[in-house]
Amino acid sequence: RKEVEQDPGPFNVPEGATVAFNCTYSNSASQSFFWYRQDCRKEPKLLMSVYSSGNEDGRFTAQLNRASQYISLLIRDSKLSDSATYLCVVKYDMRFGAGTRLTVKP
Amino acid sequence: NAGVTQTPKFQVLKTGQSMTLQCAQDMNHEYMSWYRQDPGMGLRLIHYSVGAGITDQGEVPNGYNVSRSTTEDFPLRLLSAAPSQTSVYFCASRQSNTEAFFGQGTRLTVV
Repeated sequence: RKEVEQDPGPFNVPEGATVAFNCTYSNSASQSFFWYRQDCRKEPKLLMSVYSSGNEDGRFTAQLNRASQYISLLIRDSKLSDSATYLCVVKYDMRFGAGTRLTVKP
Repeated sequence: NAGVTQTPKFQVLKTGQSMTLQCAQDMNHEYMSWYRQDPGMGLRLIHYSVGAGITDQGEVPNGYNVSRSTTEDFPLRLLSAAPSQTSVYFCASRQSNTEAFFGQGTRLTVV
């Protein structure tokens, strides 16, 4: 089993839709969790950290479920500019999931 | 703000050649990592370092060497390039369990 697994995608949604991605991890001792965004083979950039109690940043909500060992990212009111690949990161040595590609269409 | 600087941005090698991808950071970060990204795949960890003089293998270390003689620099060496090493390489640095900052990537083609 891979250490980090993500929804395979791709997700194609209309503008204004709500979309959610999940990411499961295998190491129950993992302490650090992040969501990154990557545009068109450019370098990944931090979207948001994931805190134990869940956290929100505008249209984006991140949650952690330690019991089931997954993190999630919810995007509300999708914009065309949200089209990108979303990567989850868990664990000390920053291992990435394979990424979920999102395309938001007019 | 330089952040993480990778050189070169593009490189074409012939099979069997060796080369070093350079990575430098000016944020005094302890942790540095090298990743490769292939089409349709996420970033796979090649090697990482938790401080000067300390390195360890990641998921796909074969064919690559690293060293960390200073906090700032973390070069990645390809010993004998193979077509399977054609990829985009990213270097990242971070402080403990905080956000990682990435270089702009090196696009390597091995022919």
